[in-house]
Amino acid sequence: EPEVTQTPSHQVTQMGQEVILRCVPISNHLYFYWYRQILGQKVEFLVSFYNNEISEKSEIFDDQFSVERPDGSNFTLKIRSTKLEDSAMYFCASSQRGGNLVILSGYTFGSGTRLTVV
Amino acid sequence: QKEVEQNSGPLSVPEGAIASLNCTYSDRGSQSFFWYRQYSGKSPELIMSIYSNGDKEDGRFTAQLNKASQYVSLLIRDSQPSDSATYLCAVKDEGSYIPTFGRGTSLIVHP
Repeated sequence: EPEVTQTPSHQVTQMGQEVILRCVPISNHLYFYWYRQILGQKVEFLVSFYNNEISEKSEIFDDQFSVERPDGSNFTLKIRSTKLEDSAMYFCASSQRGGNLVILSGYTFGSGTRLTVV
Repeated sequence: QKEVEQNSGPLSVPEGAIASLNCTYSDRGSQSFFWYRQYSGKSPELIMSIYSNGDKEDGRFTAQLNKASQYVSLLIRDSQPSDSATYLCAVKDEGSYIPTFGRGTSLIVHP
C-alpha cells in the first residue's frame, strides 16, 4: 500500500536553530499538507500546498515557517529560529483530491517527525 | 471559529462490547466527516468517512451521521484490546481543503 514517508523520525535541535522536515507524498497525490500535534493536544493544520504554491495556511503558519517542493517527489517544511513551543509531532499528509471536490478517502498521513527543541 | 468537540475520555469497555464514540461540530456547512484512529506516538489512520445522513458500516465499524443535530458517531462492535487508541473526529466543509480535528477520545478495551 502506498505510504507517505517522513524523515527524520525524531529531530532534536537547539532553540534558535533552523530545521527542515522532509516528506515524500504518495506519487499520484496532488495535494500536500503539514499538520502538527503538540503532545496531548489536537492535530492542528499548518499549511496546504497544491500546484507548487500554498493554497491555504493557518494562523500558526507565520513567517517562521516555509514549505517547498524542491523536486518532483519531496515536500519540505522549514522552521526558522525554532522556539521551545515548536516542540511537537509534525505530520505530512497527502490526498488525491481536495478543494471543492469531495475527498473520498481523507488524507494519508506520514508516520511523523517528532521535533524536540531544547 | 469551527469547533469539533469530543469527550476526551478515557472510555473503557470490556472486550467484546460495543464502544460508542461521539463527536459534535459547530459548522452547519460541514459536508465530509472522518474518523481516524491514532495509536500512541503514531500518525492518524483513516477508519471511516461519511457524507450522508444515516449509517455506514465497514466491518466492525459503523459511522452514524445526523446533520440536523450536528453529530457524528462511531460504533465499534466486538471491541478488541487492539482497538485501544485515541479516535479522532475530523470535519470538513465543501469549500475548504482542510478538515478540523477534534481532540480525540481515548478508548481502552480491557480483556
